[in-house]
Amino acid sequence: GQQLNQSPQSMFIQEGEDVSMNCTSSSIFNTWLWYKQDPGEGPVLLIALYKAGELTSNGRLTAQFGITRKDSFLNISASIPSDVGIYFCAGYTQTGANNLFFGTGTRLTVIP
Amino acid sequence: ETGVTQTPRHLVMGMTNKKSLKCEQHLGHNAMYWYKQSAKKPLELMFVYSLEERVENNSVPSRFSPECPNSSHLFLHLHTLQPEDSALYLCASSQDPGAKEAFFGQGTRLTVV
Repeated sequence: GQQLNQSPQSMFIQEGEDVSMNCTSSSIFNTWLWYKQDPGEGPVLLIALYKAGELTSNGRLTAQFGITRKDSFLNISASIPSDVGIYFCAGYTQTGANNLFFGTGTRLTVIP
Repeated sequence: ETGVTQTPRHLVMGMTNKKSLKCEQHLGHNAMYWYKQSAKKPLELMFVYSLEERVENNSVPSRFSPECPNSSHLFLHLHTLQPEDSALYLCASSQDPGAKEAFFGQGTRLTVV
């Protein structure tokens, strides 16, 4: 299947700091999605990006769909303790029934 | 009531046991999925169902057997599992099989002993 490389794998930051993580692929995707997974829960969709170059915000979260369509980044501004969790990128392609491919996740720890 | 509900939340089973995982979605979606989440690995798609018909089976061992009796319910029947099958099993649904946005349940944490 398609492989998405997500970095960094983990981050430890102080409360109030900004966070940046990204996702790259050797393949082109039509849509990029960012999910967050809290401990003991399933992933929850944060932001969806539908066209190259698109920049979308959801509160303190901002994500961009790379112009090459092979990458995306997610920024979190002014982090708070509840931002703790694992952030997954996912790329969507219209080929076949298995359309959604996930990254390995970035584990975020926010130190109060 | 959440959109996608999974039961049980936790399950410990022996290698000779038979158990089932249940998923129910209240979103009116037509597609449902089973994913396996292991530590430090991407989410692995196991099965895709569209309107109760299986449309994708990603070479999953036969000890995992899905069942979709209607568009709102999805089961994963487990039989003679191995310790390496221990993982978080996530159910998801989407409007259609090709839809871009999937909504996940909370998962079942499975431990095979």
